[in-house]
Amino acid sequence: KQEVTQIPAALSVPEGENLVLNCSFTDSAIYNLQWFRQDPGKGLTSLLLIQSSQREQTSGRLNASLDKSSGRSTLYIAASQPGDSATYLCAVLNFGNEKLTFGTGTRLTIIP
Amino acid sequence: SQTIHQWPATLVQPVGSPLSLECTVEGTSNPNLYWYRQAAGRGLQLLFYSVGIGQISSEVPQNLSASRPQDRQFILSSKKLLLSDSGFYLCAWIRRTEAFFGQGTRLTVV
Repeated sequence: KQEVTQIPAALSVPEGENLVLNCSFTDSAIYNLQWFRQDPGKGLTSLLLIQSSQREQTSGRLNASLDKSSGRSTLYIAASQPGDSATYLCAVLNFGNEKLTFGTGTRLTIIP
Repeated sequence: SQTIHQWPATLVQPVGSPLSLECTVEGTSNPNLYWYRQAAGRGLQLLFYSVGIGQISSEVPQNLSASRPQDRQFILSSKKLLLSDSGFYLCAWIRRTEAFFGQGTRLTVV
């Protein structure tokens, strides 16, 4: 059974700093890994999707990496802004049964 | 273009009442459809998924059921709600290249 863990559970950093969020998964037989953002009381916003054959994806100030063999992904946020405050979720799409398993989430607070 | 609709956005129901949440997708055929629940302060838990009409897989034993009466329709139901059924429910359409989510239904059982 796929298990996805995110560390840390919560993170507070001053505005302007760069930061890294971590995601680990137990079963490397995946199609892809995706990072989402969830604002309080709202649905999910897709940030980046990395196919299993890829090593990283970039969008603006966000960069996500994937090391499938070790079961790890990181989300790097450069020059953080207060608007980046949200819960960040990673999710892996399992090979075969096509289930999307979510991580436990990291609640990020950017301090102005 | 592909879209996914989920309603209602919010719902307050008394304990013991029935529930029906509907999710429909547009712009595709034979999609894989999923229901997730997020309890307060918790992560997203997969409840049910369906790879075709009439095909439902349940992930956890619970007070809920799901049905897929049409190719692009996925329904989450309960005959009698419990307080523990409160949470944020998300419908999703997932394929190997991307995932689409509905806007969610916030259910409060009182």
